[in-house]
Amino acid sequence: GAVVSQHPSWVICKSGTSVKIECRSLDFQATTMFWYRQFPKQSLMLMATSNEGSKATYEQGVEKDKFLINHASLTLSTLTVTSAHPEDSSFYICSATDSFNTEAFFGQGTRLTVV
Amino acid sequence: DQQVKQNSPSLSVQEGRISILNCDYTNSMFDYFLWYKKYPAEGPTFLISISSIKDKNEDGRFTVFLNKSAKHLSLHIVPSQPGDSAVYFCAASLDDKIIFGKGTRLHILP
Repeated sequence: GAVVSQHPSWVICKSGTSVKIECRSLDFQATTMFWYRQFPKQSLMLMATSNEGSKATYEQGVEKDKFLINHASLTLSTLTVTSAHPEDSSFYICSATDSFNTEAFFGQGTRLTVV
Repeated sequence: DQQVKQNSPSLSVQEGRISILNCDYTNSMFDYFLWYKKYPAEGPTFLISISSIKDKNEDGRFTVFLNKSAKHLSLHIVPSQPGDSAVYFCAASLDDKIIFGKGTRLHILP
């Protein structure tokens, strides 16, 4: 079955630095990728939707200058948390769909801790 | 090793009947379970959840049942409607990490 690989699985960074999270589709072309954030005991919050080759569409309340999303190829999307602060500590997960857009495949997630 | 399993890739149910989507998990430490729904051309969206301290949670036509001894949860949709045709993902959470099943495609037949 289709596989989405997310890297790194966990990262610790200092406050003020930037962190990049990668989401790769390993055996299909991901025309659309979704980035989510989860807070403890809460459902996933959709942050943004990205289509290959175009700018990401951010959900209301998500700072696009802080959470930079790049979807430069059909197999790779990246989320960069810029100038990270402790409140950015969370679990981030990506989801990818192919051109048929009927199924979604999830990455393993990234646990970000900002100290 | 899959920690969250949805063994039925697809399910067809007559409109008006009950749809039952099943999910099994292996880690008894999971403390929160969620169901997500996905329509074509959209990302998965949250549907309903249940804490591990409960065995049932109901929201309108949707009810989630949790059987911790069997490490099994199910989503009941009653009555099923055409708009319920979608892919449903089961997910389990521990702390702030969430693991998804591979999904079950539900077809509601007219």
